[in-house]
Amino acid sequence: EVQLVETGGGLIQPGGSLRLSCAASGFTVSSSYMSWVRQAPGKGLEWVSVFYIGGSIYYADSVKGRFTISRDNSKNTLHLQMDSLRAEDTAVYYCARGVTRYYFDNWGQGTLVTVSS
Amino acid sequence: EIVLTQSPATLSLSPGERATLSCRASQSVSSYLAWYQQKPGQAPRLLISDASNRATGIPARFSGSGSGTDFTLTISSLEPEDFAVYYCQQRGNWYTFGQGTKLDIK
Repeated sequence: EVQLVETGGGLIQPGGSLRLSCAASGFTVSSSYMSWVRQAPGKGLEWVSVFYIGGSIYYADSVKGRFTISRDNSKNTLHLQMDSLRAEDTAVYYCARGVTRYYFDNWGQGTLVTVSS
Repeated sequence: EIVLTQSPATLSLSPGERATLSCRASQSVSSYLAWYQQKPGQAPRLLISDASNRATGIPARFSGSGSGTDFTLTISSLEPEDFAVYYCQQRGNWYTFGQGTKLDIK
């Protein structure tokens, strides 16, 4: 059974840093298209970043230069390093797996990041 | 960036009725369109990919259609568990989502 478990969320001051992790089971992250998708409180879904099977990495313009996605194949885990956090980064962050590079087939339960002073 | 516009914003129907949700893209996405269901406090769930292919375990009452810029999600006969928010998503040009349609009980 595919499972994704996100950890690392919390309350952080503007300008601070946070690292999210997504532990995967039931499949290997290196053989999947792994993404982060976020959802601000009461709002819709926004794609943040993707790590392709071949190693290519892409970011939404809203986080480019501030967020870094990485993959630890030995631990079957995906990470999102978030620096220079802003109030508008406040959201539930979901880890999502794509069987193809087009869609998000499986989702974790999400972890809440709150950026506030 | 390709913008997806969903309509209506809210749809109020009764169990047993047919639901028709629309998603329009600002430019062609071919058939690279998916639909997701999200219930309060839960993660989204993939329903439909490639505009019309049901994901594993999705009931047959859910169907998708369309190509290019106009897409439709149809729920043939609403069950109580179908009342939720529905999002469309494209991967023609990076990933974008529609703003969602809330399907609530009349």
